[in-house]
Amino acid sequence: GAVVSQHPSWVICKSGTSVKIECRSLDFQATTMFWYRQFPKQSLMLMATSNEGSKATYEQGVEKDKFLINHASLTLSTLTVTSAHPEDSSFYICSARERGQNIQYFGAGTRLSVL
Amino acid sequence: GENVEQHPSTLSVQEGDSAVIKCTYSDSASNYFPWYKQELGKRPQLIIDIRSNVGEKKDQRIAVTLNKTAKHFSLHITETQPEDSAVYFCAASRRGAQKLVFGQGTRLTINP
Repeated sequence: GAVVSQHPSWVICKSGTSVKIECRSLDFQATTMFWYRQFPKQSLMLMATSNEGSKATYEQGVEKDKFLINHASLTLSTLTVTSAHPEDSSFYICSARERGQNIQYFGAGTRLSVL
Repeated sequence: GENVEQHPSTLSVQEGDSAVIKCTYSDSASNYFPWYKQELGKRPQLIIDIRSNVGEKKDQRIAVTLNKTAKHFSLHITETQPEDSAVYFCAASRRGAQKLVFGQGTRLTINP
């Protein structure tokens, strides 16, 4: 099946710094990528949808200036958590979808801890 | 917008028994219903999906049924094994939409 690679898998940063998370589709062209946040023992909360070459569409309540998303190519999307604070600590997961297909393939997730 | 409700939140069954997880959705325009399995600390993995033009789909020990009239769909796992223990998420997507709306998840525990 399709493979989505997400890096880093785990990151610790100081409060006030920025962190970039990468999501790559390894064997298919991902025209659409999604970024989710998952709290412990909870469901996947969609943060934003990004289409290659377009601005991301953010879900209600998600600060676009806080969570910067770039989808510059058909195989790479990045999420940058700017000026991170302890409340941003969470598990962030990306997924990718090929044009015309419904199936989303997920990355392995990034556990962010902000001190 | 779409709302997906999933029950139960936790389910414990004896190894070899069957497990059933149910989801309801609100948007009658939804036409794609996947089920994902997520083991602790791992990525969600698609285990089976169904489209609205089909009432049932089966893949070995796993089956999904869809009732469009009642707007609910269910995951059935037969002959459960310890490795089936995980959190299962249902989701729904409406025609023309890009995003999936996920249910709250069901923590399934298979007791040996």
